[in-house]
Parts: sequence; structure tokens; C-alpha cells
Amino acid sequence: SQQGEEDPQALSIQEGENATMNCSYKTSINNLQWYRQNSGRGLVHLILIRSNEREKHSGRLRVTLDTSKKSSSLLITASRAADTASYFCATDYSGYSTLTFGKGTMLLVSP
Amino acid sequence: ETGVTQTPRHLVMGMTNKKSLKCEQHLGHNAMYWYKQSAKKPLELMFVYNFKEQTENNSVPSRFSPECPNSSHLFLHLHTLQPEDSALYLCASSHVGLAVSPAADTQYFGPGTRLTVL
Repeated sequence: SQQGEEDPQALSIQEGENATMNCSYKTSINNLQWYRQNSGRGLVHLILIRSNEREKHSGRLRVTLDTSKKSSSLLITASRAADTASYFCATDYSGYSTLTFGKGTMLLVSP
Repeated sequence: ETGVTQTPRHLVMGMTNKKSLKCEQHLGHNAMYWYKQSAKKPLELMFVYNFKEQTENNSVPSRFSPECPNSSHLFLHLHTLQPEDSALYLCASSHVGLAVSPAADTQYFGPGTRLTVL
């Protein structure tokens, strides 16, 4: 299977803490994307990082990509209860124009 | 209308019923997708349409039949479903380049249809 694997499967933190989620994948990629899904809803795109980029920021989000280790991490700083959701990484493997999603990390942020 | 819409939002059907899911995108995209999301499983890509042409069918059973009449609308026709087909069905759209090996662009998802097969 080519799918990415998120780690951990679930994460529970307090408001104000940072949350870090990791994603590992298997083969060469064009880009890697992170999405968020609130319970039972559609996915919302958060950030896209290309294979020639190492780090990207968007507001409280920071994404890193290490192509030598075939891994990425998503850091959410100063988390809020509204950040409670499932987070998915999606990889765009070289030669394909479709995305492959992992199983996701379920994040719970308690007030 | 914003983004990608899906109707109905919830659907309960018997195994002998025929129903259709509808997806509409208002983003001017040229690619549309159907995904199936079951509990504790990764999102499964079912069908891809680029410029109204089906470009991928990921071994989906024939009881699921997609239709893409134009680049803004996508349907999923359902017939003789099984209880294990109960899931959240998500539609998405994106812009796809015309390069030989285009990179996947951001996908925009609808809210999904929660399907229960009795």
C-alpha cells in the first residue's frame, strides 16, 4: 500500500499546549498535504508542502518535510478547543495526480 | 453557494433500493472525486473524473455507478447495496493541470452524505 501513516492515532492535550502529529510515507512524492476533518464532516485543506520545501508555516500551523526519511510533521501551537478534529496527511506520489490519505490522527483539545 | 455541496446529507436505504447521491462544485475546477470513508479505515478513493472523463475506478463494485454530466456535477448511483457499504461518502473537486504527470493540487471537499444500508 502507498498510503501515508499518521502517528499517533489519537492525541489528547490541554488548551494552550502544542500538538505534534507525524506522517510517514513510502515512495517519492510531488507534494504532501495536511487536512482537518471535524466529526462527520468533509475534509478541509490546511497546508501543502512541496517535495523541494523543508518547512512551511500558516498561522499557528507549522509543517516540516524530510524527504530522506519520508516523513512529515504537523505542529499546532497554542492549541484551542476548536482544534479538536481528525488530521490527515495526503501524499501525491510522483507520476500520479491523485492523493492517498492516511488513517488520520484524532486530536482532542480540552478546555 | 459556496464550494462543494452534496445532497442528501443523510440517506437510509434498504438493500433493494435505488438512490443517487449528488455533488456540485462552484469553484470552476476540472476534476471531481468520490471517496468512501468507513470507520477506522483510510479514506478510499472510488472514482476520478477529469474534464468529465472517468480516469480512475479503483476496483469499485458495479453496484456503485458514477455519472459526470458536466465538470460541475457528479452523481453516484446506488443499487442493490450491502450493509458494509454504510459509510460517509465524500465528494471533492480540484484543478488538474494538463502536464503529462501533473502534481495533485488542493482538493476541496463537500460535507459528505452519511449512508446507512439496512
